[in-house]
Amino acid sequence: DTGVSQDPRHKITKRGQNVTFRCDPISEHNRLYWYRQTLGQGPEFLTYFQNEAQLEKSRLLSDRFSAERPKGSFSTLEIQRTEQGDSAMYLCASSHSSAERMGLFFGSGTQLSVL
Amino acid sequence: AQSVTQLGSHVSVSEGALVLLRCNYSSSVPPYLFWYVQYPNQGLQLLLKYTSAATLVKGINGFEAEFKKSETSFHLTKPSAHMSDAAEYFCAVSDTPGNTGKLIFGQGTTLQVKP
Repeated sequence: DTGVSQDPRHKITKRGQNVTFRCDPISEHNRLYWYRQTLGQGPEFLTYFQNEAQLEKSRLLSDRFSAERPKGSFSTLEIQRTEQGDSAMYLCASSHSSAERMGLFFGSGTQLSVL
Repeated sequence: AQSVTQLGSHVSVSEGALVLLRCNYSSSVPPYLFWYVQYPNQGLQLLLKYTSAATLVKGINGFEAEFKKSETSFHLTKPSAHMSDAAEYFCAVSDTPGNTGKLIFGQGTTLQVKP
C-alpha cells in the first residue's frame, strides 16, 4: 500500500492551454474523489467516482473540466482552456465504500499555476 | 445545507501549552465530523473522526475532540503543544450517510507553536 499518488506535483501552464492530472488511489479503494483547494481556503468537493461510474459532480465543475476513471482504478482530471482562476491545488482522495467512516485518504495534490 | 465555521484563522501557542482549535457546524441531520491536518506542500491527513459513537474522540498525535450537539461544536484540543504540531488544521462535516467522503471543509486554522 503506497497511498494515494498524484502526478504531476506541480504544473505551470499558460492561459488557454489544456492540462491533465492523474491520480492513483489506494489499490483496494473503490471510491475516488477530486477536491480543489485555493490559497487560504479549505478543500472544495468537485466530483467522485465509485468504481468507473462518476456519481456526482459539483456545480464548481464547469464544462471545461472533465474527469474519468475508465477502469475503476486511476483517474484523470482534465481542464480545457485554462483560466487564471483555475490556479489551485487539486487534491485526490480515495476510500472504500464499506469503510468510509474511516475517513478519506488524500494524495499530496497537484499545484496548478495558470499564467 | 451543511456548513463548517472555524473560529480563528491563526492560533499561536507556546510549546507545552494547551491547544484549542474551534469548529462549529450546521447540519440538518446527525453529522459525521472530521479533523484533518495539512503540512506545507502535502495532502491532508486524518487526525480523528466522530461517527455517532462516543462523543469524546481520541485521534493521532495526542489530539482529541468532543462532539457537543447542543452547541453544534467539535473543538480540537491537545494538552501540550509540540513544535511538530505547527500546521494547517481543517474541520469537515459530512451529513450524507451513504457518502461520507463528500465533505464540507472549514476555512482552516493555522497553528503556530512558539519555542
